Amino acid sequence: EAEVAQSPRYKITEKSQAVAFWCDPISGHATLYWYRQILGQGPELLVQFQDESVVDDSQLPKDRFSAERLKGVDSTLKIQPAELGDSAMYLCASSSTLPTGTGTPNYGYTFGSGTRLTVV
Amino acid sequence: LAKTTQPISMDSYEGQEVNITCSHNNIATNDYITWYQQFPSQGPRFIIQGYKTKVTNEVASLFIPADRKSSTLSLPRVSLSDTAVYYCLVGDMNRDDKIIFGKGTRLHILP
Repeated sequence: EAEVAQSPRYKITEKSQAVAFWCDPISGHATLYWYRQILGQGPELLVQFQDESVVDDSQLPKDRFSAERLKGVDSTLKIQPAELGDSAMYLCASSSTLPTGTGTPNYGYTFGSGTRLTVV
Repeated sequence: LAKTTQPISMDSYEGQEVNITCSHNNIATNDYITWYQQFPSQGPRFIIQGYKTKVTNEVASLFIPADRKSSTLSLPRVSLSDTAVYYCLVGDMNRDDKIIFGKGTRLHILP
């Protein structure tokens, strides 16, 4: 079964430092998402890519967060500088898009295992 | 985007059937209903998806009434390993709608 790869699995960083997360979606999936999940909460969408273009980054704290998907394949999410409140699980997901109106459900997103970030 | 409402938590015992109901009163015509399961320190995992009536796979069943304003995920004969958070999502995934996760239902299976 195809998987979404994420690294690192765990990351501990000091506040004010820079940190980066990497995601490799399922081959052929044009749409890529970054989510942040605080303990006890549901995942919150940070940014959505369609190929190399940002479709939605309305919830991305742009003063410190940045995301890129330069070749429309893998993606990097960066935080600089990290703050204590950024401690969370960062999840990447990908999906493929079927033509509208086919009547065939798209089985939604495939998520990676996430990166657990702890800011100290 | 249709908002969903689910119970915050549920307890059940091994071997029992568990039903988790989700309300989505504002579901749109093109929206599908999708359920995900999430274990601690893992990403959510697709369980089942449906549009109307009943859908069954090897893991669960999904019951959707005619008005589609709610849905019920049914897990047959649960085991301890079914302890997880279950999310009900509604959206038109054929258009890659921005799917909003709620807090989900924390299911705790007791021995």
